[in-house]
Amino acid sequence: DIQMTQSPSTLSASVGDRITISCRASQSISTWLAWYQQKPGKAPKLLIYRASSLESGVPSRFSASGSGTEFTLTISSLQPDDFATYYCQQYITLWTFGQGTKVEIK
Amino acid sequence: EVQLVESGGALVQPGGSLTLSCAASGFTFSGYEMHWVRQAPGKGLEWLSHIDTTGSTMYYADSVKGRFTISRDNAKNSLYLRMNSLRAGDTAIYYCVRLEQHLLTSWGQGTLVTVSS
Repeated sequence: DIQMTQSPSTLSASVGDRITISCRASQSISTWLAWYQQKPGKAPKLLIYRASSLESGVPSRFSASGSGTEFTLTISSLQPDDFATYYCQQYITLWTFGQGTKVEIK
Repeated sequence: EVQLVESGGALVQPGGSLTLSCAASGFTFSGYEMHWVRQAPGKGLEWLSHIDTTGSTMYYADSVKGRFTISRDNAKNSLYLRMNSLRAGDTAIYYCVRLEQHLLTSWGQGTLVTVSS
């Protein structure tokens, strides 16, 4: 099974900060990686697919990169609406989520 | 508008069984593969199961293989998850999710299953 590991688990930041979340796969997944945002009490929302493609309607301050086993999600200027938990997910072999990164207000 | 509405969540005793349902609307249900994903209280997302459009191919996470069964009724635009031998660790919100180009694009609001004596 492919394991996904995110870091950090929690990230404290301020509005306007640039933040980066990392995701590592236990084996190569090429670019079969997605990122989701989840707010408390809500279902997850797809942000990024194929490692770097922005889902329609997602603000351009979100970007992502990577291939193989190392991936990153970057928010260029953190906005109040961005405080949430972010999950990476591989979909090359079945589907596996990372454990999540909670972005909280500093 | 795509709508996925889960139901059937309840309090159940360890060792018990439960069937979750997901009513789909706003799209051609028979044309989409579907999934179940769960989230334990305060924890992360866990993919559970997938079913193809005809119900002939299913996949399961190791944690539920042999205990959970996914099925669908395209005539009723419905997805199901039969859960047997429930354990405390199965306590979670269970989401019905539509797959589109390998991605989990549309999610229901979830239904809560609590396994406790």
